Amino acid sequence: NAGVMQNPRHLVRRRGQEARLRCSPMKGHSHVYWYRQLPEEGLKFMVYLQKENIIDESGMPKERFSAEFPKEGPSILRIQQVVRGDSAAYFCASSPPGRDSPLHFGNGTRLTVT
Amino acid sequence: GEDVEQSLFLSVREGDSSVINCTYTDSSSTYLYWYKQEPGAGLQLLTYIFSNMDMKQDQRLTVLLNKKDKHLSLRIADTQTGDSAIYFCAFSRAAGNKLTFGGGTRVLVKP
Repeated sequence: NAGVMQNPRHLVRRRGQEARLRCSPMKGHSHVYWYRQLPEEGLKFMVYLQKENIIDESGMPKERFSAEFPKEGPSILRIQQVVRGDSAAYFCASSPPGRDSPLHFGNGTRLTVT
Repeated sequence: GEDVEQSLFLSVREGDSSVINCTYTDSSSTYLYWYKQEPGAGLQLLTYIFSNMDMKQDQRLTVLLNKKDKHLSLRIADTQTGDSAIYFCAFSRAAGNKLTFGGGTRVLVKP
């Protein structure tokens, strides 16, 4: 059973470009979470999605950031017009339906904005 | 708001026990986790405990929870060089729910 798959592992973008980060949850998992880790800091919650629904986006910046989890295919975190402050590691986690299942994390996408 | 604090750094000799501490403020935290992050890697779930438990042991790992003091600790017995990593405590109000993380404790194991 493959774990949470994220790609790309590393992404370099110039200021003003768009970044697209992809996450395929573990098989059987229908809940996806995105977290951001700034250098030398812990992870901060961004958004929680189920298939075709955003459940909680209280940690998402109001502008330039969006997330989706379509019926088919991976979850996508999209950052438009990137700025240097967006440079971070972005982690995806998934869990199955139900209350007693902890989150399983992917290896992250490290975004560098030049 | 939620606040989780960890010490930044811990140095330990190989074979000794390591104790990593974490304090939190949200008394409604129900699930308490320890994750390990090696350089350039994602987070590996080590263990977790429910708030109605005081202790959980899993091989070399022992988790202690003091709900009165809102203090969580992770003890690693017989620490090995492969245990060198950053350790994060994290909390949620429900399993599979969004987590609040501490800033991480960098553990360095010296031979």
